[in-house]
Amino acid sequence: AQSVSQHNHHVILSEAASLELGCNYSYGGTVNLFWYVQYPGQHLQLLLKYFSGDPLVKGIKGFEAEFIKSKFSFNLRKPSVQWSDTAEYFCAVNAMGTDKLIFGTGTRLQVFP
Amino acid sequence: KAGVTQTPRYLIKTRGQQVTLSCSPISGHRSVSWYQQTPGQGLQFLFEYFSETQRNKGNFPGRFSGRQFSNSRSEMNVSTLELGDSALYLCASSLVGQTTDTQYFGPGTRLTVL
Repeated sequence: AQSVSQHNHHVILSEAASLELGCNYSYGGTVNLFWYVQYPGQHLQLLLKYFSGDPLVKGIKGFEAEFIKSKFSFNLRKPSVQWSDTAEYFCAVNAMGTDKLIFGTGTRLQVFP
Repeated sequence: KAGVTQTPRYLIKTRGQQVTLSCSPISGHRSVSWYQQTPGQGLQFLFEYFSETQRNKGNFPGRFSGRQFSNSRSEMNVSTLELGDSALYLCASSLVGQTTDTQYFGPGTRLTVL
């Protein structure tokens, strides 16, 4: 069965530090990949998505993610975090040919000024 | 354009009762998906409805059911509530489906089972 792993459950950073959140999935075929973010008190919203093409995807608020097919990974990155990036981040994967979108368990990011 | 709305926002029930949650999608969106969010488990997919038909279902017991109306509004029902059903239930809508579309999430319904 498909699964999505986010190994970092809780990340604490200072402002201006660089961020990389891991996301690995278990499916050998073609996938659609998403990162969603949930800011405190707000709804979940899409950060970025990858369907095909350039494996480096840019999203909102300076975030980007790189799809590495050989590593079954879709890690989220940001070169310099801000206090306002404090949120919970969810990776989600759809295996093409299925109607299932599987979410990871989320990574809670806390950024201190 | 109005966002996804969910009612009620908070619910407290006791074991054995049943509950119905409601979701109104963004106008024009035909796909509605439901998720259960709990600490440590993340979001777990319950089911997806498209044009009044259940298109996909997650691995939840039959106590969890849903439906979608002709105006795309959706309801989710949980019968014979258990303590473990306490969670935030999220509804998300999209134009054509959760797997290829951007999903727009509602604020959720916080269900507490005592």
